Amino acid sequence: DTAVSQTPKYLVTQMGNDKSIKCEQNLGHDTMYWYKQDSKKFLKIMFSYNNKELIINETVPNRFSPKSPDKAHLNLHINSLELGDSAVYFCASSQETGRGGRDEQFFGPGTRLTVL
Amino acid sequence: GENVGLHLPTLSVQEGDNSIINCAYSNSASDYFIWYKQESGKGPQFIIDIRSNMDKRQGQRVTVLLNKTVKHLSLQIAATQPGDSAVYFCAARSNDYKLSFGAGTTVTVRA
Repeated sequence: DTAVSQTPKYLVTQMGNDKSIKCEQNLGHDTMYWYKQDSKKFLKIMFSYNNKELIINETVPNRFSPKSPDKAHLNLHINSLELGDSAVYFCASSQETGRGGRDEQFFGPGTRLTVL
Repeated sequence: GENVGLHLPTLSVQEGDNSIINCAYSNSASDYFIWYKQESGKGPQFIIDIRSNMDKRQGQRVTVLLNKTVKHLSLQIAATQPGDSAVYFCAARSNDYKLSFGAGTTVTVRA
């Protein structure tokens, strides 16, 4: 039973295209996240949703748009892909929002995006 | 915000020895810290956490030490095994409620 799943695992696309990455968690968690990991393994938060509401929105280009149809899903849509978007994108979920509670986040397996 | 950094990007350790991975953070208001392990091709996996009102916490073969005076965090792995080879991240939660991750230390266990 996969706790946090992402599709696709690999995504190769041309510059200028629009693509989506899907994420689902079956842990019953209220909060979900998207992170970007660059080639140096540096992990940076992009977005966080709690019960379908956006609570963290880091300074990312507005070409990136998260969508949460329900609290078990948080999809990431990227418009007009650029070379610099190439990275591994991780979805994560946690029970707490991080506002004082335990903040153990469960990560998905990642989606490796390559923009050519 | 928070800046989190690890002292060494790589660590090579003999199987059976103890490993120590160090991490520094910048925000004295950070109240919660986590260590994650990331194996090749996988997502980060929770190892252990510690709140700022503690200075030590032990898990199975792992111990986290927190020194708030110098804003330093360490992860000790006892009797390191080949399966411990991975990238280790520390993360700190500051008063903006976001987890900030360090750059990661790659641990290689020599047989």
